Amino acid sequence: GNSVTQMEGPVTLSEEAFLTINCTYTATGYPSLFWYVQYPGEGLQLLLKATKADDKGSNKGFEATYRKETTSFHLEKGSVQVSDSAVYFCALIVKTSYDKVIFGPGTSLSVIP
Amino acid sequence: EAGVAQSPRYKIIEKRQSVAFWCNPISGHATLYWYQQILGQGPKLLIQFQNNGVVDDSQLPKDRFSAERLKGVDSTLKIQPAKLEDSAVYLCASSLESGSSYEQYFGPGTRLTVT
Repeated sequence: GNSVTQMEGPVTLSEEAFLTINCTYTATGYPSLFWYVQYPGEGLQLLLKATKADDKGSNKGFEATYRKETTSFHLEKGSVQVSDSAVYFCALIVKTSYDKVIFGPGTSLSVIP
Repeated sequence: EAGVAQSPRYKIIEKRQSVAFWCNPISGHATLYWYQQILGQGPKLLIQFQNNGVVDDSQLPKDRFSAERLKGVDSTLKIQPAKLEDSAVYLCASSLESGSSYEQYFGPGTRLTVT
C-alpha cells in the first residue's frame, strides 16, 4: 500500500544548527512529494514540493530532493531559527483513478536560542 | 483573498451525541477535503469532493460519519453517534482542482472533544 514514514520527534536544535528531518515513502507508481508545516496555533501550509525524481523543492531556506532510488524526500535547512519551531509533515499524492493524498505522522521541531 | 473558513473552532460533546462541522472553501476551488487529525498523528483523509461529487471516501467510517457538499461550495461533516475515539481536530482544505499541481489550503480546524 501507500504510506509515509518520518523520523520521530521531538527534535530540539540550537539556533543556527543544521536540520535534517527524514521522510521515506512507499507508493505505487510515481507520487508527488510534499512538505507541509504547522506553526503553533496556525493551520497547515505548504512548505515545498517536488513532482518527479531528482527534482529539488525549496522555500524559506528549506530544501528537499526527490530520491526515487531510496524512496526518500528528506527536509534540510542549513541554519535554523527560533521561528522555524513547528511541526513538519511529509506527504505524497499518488495517481490512481483519482489523486490519493497521504500524510506522514509529523515531526515536531523546537529551536532554542 | 479569504482563506478556508471552518466553524465551530471548538466543540465538546458526550459520547453518543451528534455533531456537525461546517467548511467554506476558498471561492472558486473545485476540490474540498476533510481530514481527521488525532493528537500526535498526521492528517488522515476522510473524504474528498470534486465540485459536489465524492472522489474518495474510502477512509470515512460510513456507519457514523457523513458529509455533503451541496451546490459544490460549502460542506458539512457530521458524526452521529460520536465515540470517544472521534476526539480529534477536523481539518478542511480546498484546492483549485485535484492533483499534485494544485496547492491545498487548510482551514484552522475544529477541535472535537468527546467525553
